[in-house]
Amino acid sequence: EVQLLESGGGLVQPGGSLRLSCAASGFTFSSYAMSWVRQAPGKGLEWVSAISGSGGSTYYADSVKGRFTISRDNSKNTLYLQMNSLRAEDTAVYYCAKGTIFGVVMSDYFDYWGQGTLVTVSS
Amino acid sequence: NFMLTQPHSVSESPGKTVTISCTRSSGSIASNYVQWYQQRPGSAPTTVIYEDNQRPSGVPDRFSGSIDSSSNSASLTISGLKTEDEADYYCQSYDSSNFWVFGGGTKLTVL
Repeated sequence: EVQLLESGGGLVQPGGSLRLSCAASGFTFSSYAMSWVRQAPGKGLEWVSAISGSGGSTYYADSVKGRFTISRDNSKNTLYLQMNSLRAEDTAVYYCAKGTIFGVVMSDYFDYWGQGTLVTVSS
Repeated sequence: NFMLTQPHSVSESPGKTVTISCTRSSGSIASNYVQWYQQRPGSAPTTVIYEDNQRPSGVPDRFSGSIDSSSNSASLTISGLKTEDEADYYCQSYDSSNFWVFGGGTKLTVL
């Protein structure tokens, strides 16, 4: 059974940093691209970042480019999102989501999602 | 950049059929696959339709997806509505400049 378990969320001040983790199990982690997708309170879904199965290719939404860094440790079956220079508008539940192929291809979709971790940016 | 526009909410009675639309603002809806995700209250999203009209295993055939080039929109149709179908539904597509783009979501009420 595929499981994705996010952690690392919490309350952080504007300008602060936070690192999210997503522990994966139930599939060959290194064989699949992974993404982070966020959902602001009461709002819709927004794709944030994606990484290929090897970690060699990464992509970011314009809203987080230069501030967030996605990475993965395939030996630990874990996906990360390092978030720096956080802003109030980054407040959201952050989901990790699994792709269906190795590479980051836009025609791909997300077949499994974690339960999410809440990030609140506030002073 | 393009947007995907969905109705804010729809409602229908159990046993009936409901259709949720997703209109693409620019670029052809038929050029890039459309996915549909279901999000029940307090839960993570799950995929109900991928690649315009494909159902993942475990999704009942009451769920179907289609594309209409004339209106540049995609549709999710749920027949034989059940109370368990009550959820938010999001369409999603992409293009070379925008990676993954989601619609604003539609709240389905089954009453």
